[in-house]
Amino acid sequence: QSALTQPASVSGSPGQSITISCTGTSSDVGSYNLVSWYQQHPGKAPKLMIYEGIKRPSGISNRFSGSKSGNTASLTISGLQAEDEADYYCCSYAGSSTLVFGGGTKLTVL
Amino acid sequence: EVQLVESGGGLVKPGGSLRLSCAASEFTFSTYSMNWVRQAPGKGLEWVSSVSSSSSNIYYADSVKGRFTISRDNAKNSLYLQMNSLRAEDTAVYYCARLHLFGSVPSCMDVWGQGTTVTVSS
Repeated sequence: QSALTQPASVSGSPGQSITISCTGTSSDVGSYNLVSWYQQHPGKAPKLMIYEGIKRPSGISNRFSGSKSGNTASLTISGLQAEDEADYYCCSYAGSSTLVFGGGTKLTVL
Repeated sequence: EVQLVESGGGLVKPGGSLRLSCAASEFTFSTYSMNWVRQAPGKGLEWVSSVSSSSSNIYYADSVKGRFTISRDNAKNSLYLQMNSLRAEDTAVYYCARLHLFGSVPSCMDVWGQGTTVTVSS
């Protein structure tokens, strides 16, 4: 149950696009299309942004999109807005009904 | 509004025990698998445990296996986490979360509570 690897921080200016990577192994990210992404503002609970790799829950802006290549999943946020500044976590099914999270990425909107 | 409300956190000495509760409302609790996820101060999220809708399947992270017990009472729309032999490294905000399944496999957590804080310190 080793954590997935995410960059500690990313940044971008309003209106730009950014991508956050999430690297796992052939036992988790690489084997299943079951990566989810969560947004967490300081002092708040996480919020589901992307699930099953590419799907958006109802109410989530289409500025948020997910993808995967091999053992790495990615979250792309286009048209960056100030309110997107938050921590982002990926999560993957890891077999045997267990889940594993990434270490989190702090997004700064410049 | 679909809601999860945790309670039961607090300060406990190393080696002590604590029982967390999570009250669910505005959804059919008995048809969903449920999770506990924790977050140590300044750290990332860590999946702790999950229980299926009927309690027939229960899973734990290696870090808590043998010390924590997850359970649920569908009649009371409630989820629990009994934590024994607590250690300093168990200090965290504990969230309960509704688990969305892809078939029979855990997919994501689509509803989260606000969290309850557990501090293990002498």
